[in-house]
Amino acid sequence: KAGVTQTPRYLIKTRGQQVTLSCSPISGHRSVSWYQQTPGQGLQFLFEYFSETQRNKGNFPGRFSGRQFSNSRSEMNVSTLELGDSALYLCASSLEALGDYGYTFGSGTRLTVV
Amino acid sequence: QQQVKQSPQSLIVQKGGISIINCAYENTAFDYFPWYQQFPGKGPALLIAIRPDVSEKKEGRFTISFNKSAKQFSLHIMDSQPGDSATYFCAASRDYGGSQGNLIFGKGTKLSVKP
Repeated sequence: KAGVTQTPRYLIKTRGQQVTLSCSPISGHRSVSWYQQTPGQGLQFLFEYFSETQRNKGNFPGRFSGRQFSNSRSEMNVSTLELGDSALYLCASSLEALGDYGYTFGSGTRLTVV
Repeated sequence: QQQVKQSPQSLIVQKGGISIINCAYENTAFDYFPWYQQFPGKGPALLIAIRPDVSEKKEGRFTISFNKSAKQFSLHIMDSQPGDSATYFCAASRDYGGSQGNLIFGKGTKLSVKP
């Protein structure tokens, strides 16, 4: 059974640009969540999508957005990149809710903003 | 109220020893407490989880102890092995099984097990 796939694995962008990250969840999983991981702030929740609808949202500015497609694949977009957006962006999928199986995380996309 | 505080930041243990990582929370609405293990270059992987209706859960060498009155929970790794060297995160969530259950993570503990 394939895991959560995130593409690309690495990205280097310039301040002010925008970026789109992609996540393919485990087959059958309908919930996709995104987390930002930095050395200073740790793992922080960005948002969760379920059946193409944003179900939960963390405390991030509107420059961070996402969407989910009918096949449960998800993308997140960051516009007007800032140096502080450099981080590992992790996607996690689950069947419908956290439950006993928790999340399955992908290996992440390492974004560097220069 | 939303924080989960984790200690220590780093831990060095001899092979065969017991590793203990502690977490504390404030929000009494939390009802799900997982531990995740992360190796370099990988995403976190669920290790073990507990709900507040039990005080202890054991899976192999990994045990969660939960103290609801103190709002604390801990991970014990028995017979620690070099392969356990990783970063461990505690987390908490409310609305287990529902639609509001994003995870609040602790800051992580980097565990090194010396051979």
